[in-house]
Amino acid sequence: AQSVTQLGSHVSVSEGALVLLRCNYSSSVPPYLFWYVQYPNQGLQLLLKYTSAATLVKGINGFEAEFKKSETSFHLTKPSAHMSDAAEYFCAVSATGYSTLTFGKGTMLLVSP
Amino acid sequence: DVKVTQSSRYLVKRTGEKVFLECVQDMDHENMFWYRQDPGLGLRLIYFSYDVKMKEKGDIPEGYSVSREKKERFSLILESASTNQTSMYLCASSLQGAGYTFGSGTRLTVV
Repeated sequence: AQSVTQLGSHVSVSEGALVLLRCNYSSSVPPYLFWYVQYPNQGLQLLLKYTSAATLVKGINGFEAEFKKSETSFHLTKPSAHMSDAAEYFCAVSATGYSTLTFGKGTMLLVSP
Repeated sequence: DVKVTQSSRYLVKRTGEKVFLECVQDMDHENMFWYRQDPGLGLRLIYFSYDVKMKEKGDIPEGYSVSREKKERFSLILESASTNQTSMYLCASSLQGAGYTFGSGTRLTVV
């Protein structure tokens, strides 16, 4: 069975500051890992995904994430936060490309001027 | 771009009603999924389907059923709606090995 833990239900940053959203996973096999973003009253949008290629994955809107097997982590970062980054972010894991996604409980990112 | 369309953004239904939530995707994806999203609980998988007329239970299937008569359409059915089924329902589709594409969601209120 696979699982995802997102540390912190809310993260607050100032505009221009580093964004770091934490995700740890549990999987019995090499995982596929994903980050999604949800803006208010919308569905989820794929930010980036790791599927056993390069460990540093670049996504849309300047976000990136690094797969660290030894730490079972897949943290999401962005060097400089924008007001438009305020949203809820979900980390998800899949055991293979053929199995369903298991989502974390989400982290709400708040960006202040 | 792949589009996943959920027929209603907001629904209000009465306890005991049979409720149909419709989802259509336009990119010939094999896989389709229904999740519910609740504050503090994230997304939980209700049912999924890897092919027409095929369905598999997810983590919380109780009180729900699904129908997939055509590849592009995946319907979620609440047989007898209850207040604890008030939630945001999200449909998604995917190809094997790819990420999911989500619809905009249906916010269902059962009164």
